[in-house]
Amino acid sequence: AQTVTQSQPEMSVQEAETVTLSCTYDTSESDYYLFWYKQPPSRQMILVIRQEAYKQQNATENRFSVNFQKAAKSFSLKISDSQLGDAAMYFCAFFTGANSKLTFGKGITLSVRP
Amino acid sequence: NAGVTQTPKFQVLKTGQSMTLQCAQDMNHEYMSWYRQDPGMGLRLIHYSVGAGITDQGEVPNGYNVSRSTTEDFPLRLLSAAPSQTSVYFCASSYSGGWTATMNTEAFFGQGTRLTVV
Repeated sequence: AQTVTQSQPEMSVQEAETVTLSCTYDTSESDYYLFWYKQPPSRQMILVIRQEAYKQQNATENRFSVNFQKAAKSFSLKISDSQLGDAAMYFCAFFTGANSKLTFGKGITLSVRP
Repeated sequence: NAGVTQTPKFQVLKTGQSMTLQCAQDMNHEYMSWYRQDPGMGLRLIHYSVGAGITDQGEVPNGYNVSRSTTEDFPLRLLSAAPSQTSVYFCASSYSGGWTATMNTEAFFGQGTRLTVV
């Protein structure tokens, strides 16, 4: 069974600064996907970024990028030029076709200081 | 372009009552799932389905039933509500037409249901 660990329950960042959210996972599978989802106060789950395990290149989406370390089973999210609208809860998630389950971490609450 | 439609958005139940949370998707996704979200616990998988007629238990299935008679619909039934089932519930769907390295596994979520059992 796979597990996803987000050890930091809360983080804070100054507007326009950079922040990194940590995530580790455990699996015996070699093919899988990793995701970061954002949940603003509206409760809607929004996909931020996706990383395929077979790709060595780190995924990037505008101000969002990941540091994927497959051997260390680490998948951190970097948010550059933080904006007030980035304030939300962020979830790291893992998917493998071996059991078709999407497993989430416990989430981290990010606040952005103006 | 509705995506995943989840109803109701809010519900208050009395202990022992039953109810069904509805979930429908119009993206022809085979994979559908139900999660509950509790403070400090993240999203925990209740039940999931990889296609019509096929369901399986997730991490926290007790007290919940599901069925999948069509590709589009995946209702979640609470047979006898308990205060411990007070939570926010999410339905999600994604493509899972066979495991390949290039498949798009992004999950699409409903808006969530805030359920309170008193």
